[in-house]
Amino acid sequence: QKEVEQNSGPLSVPEGAIASLNCTYSDRGSQSFFWYRQYSGKSPELIMFIYSNGDKEDGRFTAQLNKASQYVSLLIRDSQPSDSATYLCAVTPTGFQKLVFGTGTRLLVSP
Amino acid sequence: NAGVTQTPKFQVLKTGQSMTLQCAQDMNHNSMYWYRQDPGMGLRLIYYSASEGTTDKGEVPNGYNVSRLNKREFSLRLESAAPSQTSVYFCASSEQQGRYNEQFFGPGTRLTVL
Repeated sequence: QKEVEQNSGPLSVPEGAIASLNCTYSDRGSQSFFWYRQYSGKSPELIMFIYSNGDKEDGRFTAQLNKASQYVSLLIRDSQPSDSATYLCAVTPTGFQKLVFGTGTRLLVSP
Repeated sequence: NAGVTQTPKFQVLKTGQSMTLQCAQDMNHNSMYWYRQDPGMGLRLIYYSASEGTTDKGEVPNGYNVSRLNKREFSLRLESAAPSQTSVYFCASSEQQGRYNEQFFGPGTRLTVL
């Protein structure tokens, strides 16, 4: 079983819609959760982090964490074509010594 | 404030050649990391340095060595390159190891081994 799992996509949404990106993780003791955005040919860019159960909002982005279900999601409201990228979920497992990345979900926002 | 910088941006090697990838950060971070990214495999940790003077193996360390030259610089060396090491290599840094492990990435080095 992969430690961090994401649907590879692509997830296609029209401009202005809400994009919902999901991630599950296997280590129940994981403490920290991160979302990175990666444009094609570029490096990962940190966009959100969340440490506690519940929702965390930052502009058009909302991260949601449910530790009981071992599930973290990223909602992008009012999606724009410029949001088209691969979104990587990353988790700090028990021991805190590394980040474990999912393989990413490709998001396509059509005008 | 340049963040994390990497050199070179692109490199082509022949099998058996050696090279060193350079990474530097100007954010006064304690921890630094080397990843490789391959299609369908995601980002995989090669080596990391929790603090100046320490290095540890990650998920895929075979064929690589690292040096934490000082707090700013962390280099990755391929002693005898193999085609399986064709990949994109990213360096990252974070303020510290631990729960609040927000990592910031450099622009990457695209390496091809023929």
